[in-house]
Amino acid sequence: EVQLVESGGGLVQPGGSLRLSCAASGFTFSSYWMSWVRQAPGKGLEWVANIKQDGSEKYYVDSVKGRFTISRDNAKNSLYLQMNSLRAEDTAVYYCATHAFDIWGQGTMVTVSS
Amino acid sequence: DIVMTQTPLSSPVTLGQPASISCRSSQSLVHSDGNTYLSWLQQRPGQPPRLLIYKISNRFSGVPDRFSGSGAGTDFTLKISRVEAEDVGVYYCTQATQFPYTFGQGTKLEIK
Repeated sequence: EVQLVESGGGLVQPGGSLRLSCAASGFTFSSYWMSWVRQAPGKGLEWVANIKQDGSEKYYVDSVKGRFTISRDNAKNSLYLQMNSLRAEDTAVYYCATHAFDIWGQGTMVTVSS
Repeated sequence: DIVMTQTPLSSPVTLGQPASISCRSSQSLVHSDGNTYLSWLQQRPGQPPRLLIYKISNRFSGVPDRFSGSGAGTDFTLKISRVEAEDVGVYYCTQATQFPYTFGQGTKLEIK
């Protein structure tokens, strides 16, 4: 079964850090560009970051540049999002997905609050 | 950044009747490789998004043929030929022609 499973979300104070993980199975993970997309409560979708198959290219939305880092480990079929200097406006469900959006995880909730 | 504008933002539809959602981009979505990376996603309540249509008009695997996409350049349309109860949710257009990828605001489809 083709699957993406996120983990690592939770409650964190402003200025804190969190690392999200996404475990892929059922498809050749190393052949796909991958994305992180987020959705604030009751709001629409916002693309966050992309990473090329070999990790050599990474792209970010302006609002997270310098704070978030996308990475991957193809040997572990895993995608990551290191989030530093978190702000209240980063509160959202974070989804991992293939860059063509044909496979999505169920999402993990990140809440930034004191 | 490319701005994606959807209309309407809300669409009450009678079961069995057609529905149409428009998406306009602030600039052409034609990529230098000749493709137009415009997709449509459906998000049912409490669920992650699901790909319906890619590259304007290609239905993704398992998507019913009552869903169709059309358009070119900056103007695109998603049509549902006969709305069913399971189609309730929010529909998003999205472009992957240029970074940052961007989404429309979403159109909420509900049953009258």
